[in-house]
Amino acid sequence: AAGVIQSPRHLIKEKRETATLKCYPIPRHDTVYWYQQGPGQDPQFLISFYEKMQSDKGSIPDRFSAQQFSDYHSELNMSSLELGDSALYFCASRTLAGGPPRDTQYFGPGTRLTVL
Amino acid sequence: GDSVTQMEGPVTLSEEAFLTINCTYTATGYPSLFWYVQYPGEGLQLLLKATKADDKGSNKGFEATYRKETTSFHLEKGSVQVSDSAVYFCALTLLSNDYKLSFGAGTTVTVRA
Repeated sequence: AAGVIQSPRHLIKEKRETATLKCYPIPRHDTVYWYQQGPGQDPQFLISFYEKMQSDKGSIPDRFSAQQFSDYHSELNMSSLELGDSALYFCASRTLAGGPPRDTQYFGPGTRLTVL
Repeated sequence: GDSVTQMEGPVTLSEEAFLTINCTYTATGYPSLFWYVQYPGEGLQLLLKATKADDKGSNKGFEATYRKETTSFHLEKGSVQVSDSAVYFCALTLLSNDYKLSFGAGTTVTVRA
């Protein structure tokens, strides 16, 4: 079965640079979530989209922005990177339509961002 | 706010030992409860879930029962294997929160041969 795809899997950036993370949800999933997991920490919710509209926002810095496109893929844009942004970034998807239960999110493998 | 508290690790066990990871929750509504597992260097995988009181989720020999009266969702496995070594996260979602996940701090489990 198709899973959530994230790219790139690994990314190394310098301080003050920008980064773009991409997420391709499971086909026919209409909702995407982004989470940030710092070293040794639990994942923290950043932002979510439903049908290409932002549906909720968590602890996402103003330096970050995200959007969901017409094909339902999503991109997380991060600017003025700081050392503290080094983390594993997960994307998850779910659907309100038929298929898997609407309350269940399926995670991608994550993008490991290292800021030097 | 809505939150999940799970027992702190790390937990180290021998193969074939019994594993329990305690998880309790606080929620303003009626949450769905999940256990996710993260193997070393990998992403989050859904292990099991339960959506209403007294539901039992089970997968790969792991079980957890949704206990509304004690607001708990403890994870158990009767006989662990080395391959069960991972970080386990208890989590909840609520319709009122657009189903975003609130995670516990995670419990690192190491199983020794």
